[in-house]
Amino acid sequence: DGGITQSPKYLFRKEGQNVTLSCEQNLNHDAMYWYRQDPGQGLRLIYYSQIVNDFQKGDIAEGYSVSREKKESFPLTVTSAQKNPTAFYLCASSPTSGDSYEQYFGPGTRLTVT
Amino acid sequence: AQSVTQLGSHVSVSEGALVLLRCNYSSSVPPYLFWYVQYPNQGLQLLLKYTSAATLVKGINGFEAEFKKSETSFHLTKPSAHMSDAAEYFCAVTPKGYSTLTFGKGTMLLVSP
Repeated sequence: DGGITQSPKYLFRKEGQNVTLSCEQNLNHDAMYWYRQDPGQGLRLIYYSQIVNDFQKGDIAEGYSVSREKKESFPLTVTSAQKNPTAFYLCASSPTSGDSYEQYFGPGTRLTVT
Repeated sequence: AQSVTQLGSHVSVSEGALVLLRCNYSSSVPPYLFWYVQYPNQGLQLLLKYTSAATLVKGINGFEAEFKKSETSFHLTKPSAHMSDAAEYFCAVTPKGYSTLTFGKGTMLLVSP
């Protein structure tokens, strides 16, 4: 089955630790995205990548870092500089050819930092 | 820049009643518009999209939306609510030529028996 996998589903960390969230897709999509979701805030874009070895900051990139070494993978690191890291994180992907710009979402990772 | 406003953070309906979820957008160019649904602790699933073809768009699970340029709206409707429709719904916009989406803050749909 084609799709996006995110692991783990739930993640717990102590304050001050960096943590990496995994996102893998087998849809052969060029573009990948990371969003943060907080109650009542909708989805906010953290980083996105439209091609391997290239990525751009979104609206709330501070305290986060990404890499895009492979087309299938777009891991997100939540660093200790992120002041409020507890949230639900969603990864998405989309094609870049054609003109629909539909994004496909993974199941999400809920991160709790205490 | 684009923006999306979803009127009402929560909407309550009875089973069998009409569902109307409101979305107004702001965009400097003709937009592409999307409605997504999210069940608790899950990712988002596309319900329907407007990509400058027919202004009345039909989606999955009996939902539809109408693009009204003069009102800058893209409201989501369903004639008869089911209990299984209870979820959070997000409207999103992107201008042609870009790939990032701007989301509204979401509307939680509550369906009572």
